[in-house]
Amino acid sequence: GAVVSQHPSRVICKSGTSVKIECRSLDFQATTMFWYRQFPKQSLMLMATSNEGSKATYEQGVEKDKFLINHASLTLSTLTVTSAHPEDSSFYICSAAGRGNQPQHFGDGTRLSIL
Amino acid sequence: AQSVTQLDSQVPVFEEAPVELRCNYSSSVSVYLFWYVQYPNQGLQLLLKYLSGSTLVKGINGFEAEFNKSQTSFHLRKPSVHISDTAEYFCAVTPGAAGNKLTFGGGTRVLVKP
Repeated sequence: GAVVSQHPSRVICKSGTSVKIECRSLDFQATTMFWYRQFPKQSLMLMATSNEGSKATYEQGVEKDKFLINHASLTLSTLTVTSAHPEDSSFYICSAAGRGNQPQHFGDGTRLSIL
Repeated sequence: AQSVTQLDSQVPVFEEAPVELRCNYSSSVSVYLFWYVQYPNQGLQLLLKYLSGSTLVKGINGFEAEFNKSQTSFHLRKPSVHISDTAEYFCAVTPGAAGNKLTFGGGTRVLVKP
């Protein structure tokens, strides 16, 4: 089945650091990738949608300059949390969808902890 | 716009007992429906989906769901749960293509007790 790899699985870093999270589709071409944020014991909150070669579309309330998304190829999207602060600590999950009427496939998530 | 309501935030159930997780949605257009499972500190895994055709959908791990258009529901069931079914379950919908933006319910935490 479709596999989406997300890396790293866990990051602990100091306040002010920028952190990059990678999301790769391993066995299919992901025309669309999605980035979610999940707070403890809550549902997923969509942050942005990215299409290969285009600028990401951000959801209302999500800071574009804070959360930089790049979808440079059909198999890779990256989320960079710039100048991270403790309030950015969360579980970030990516998903990818290919062509045709196929559902999204999710990565295993990245737990980001900012000290 | 779409919305999804999962009526139960937590469902405790004994091992080998049946379980039903309720999901209702609202939408002004036709939608595709999904159930995902999330184990601790992991991403989401697709359990099953309804795109068209038979309203009774069978998924992985013995789960099934029934789409009821008149009641705008997509309840998930399993006749006999295992300890390993302890997880968070999310119902989701999307209009248009199955790979479009998902709207998730709030999730239901299933705790299977021995």
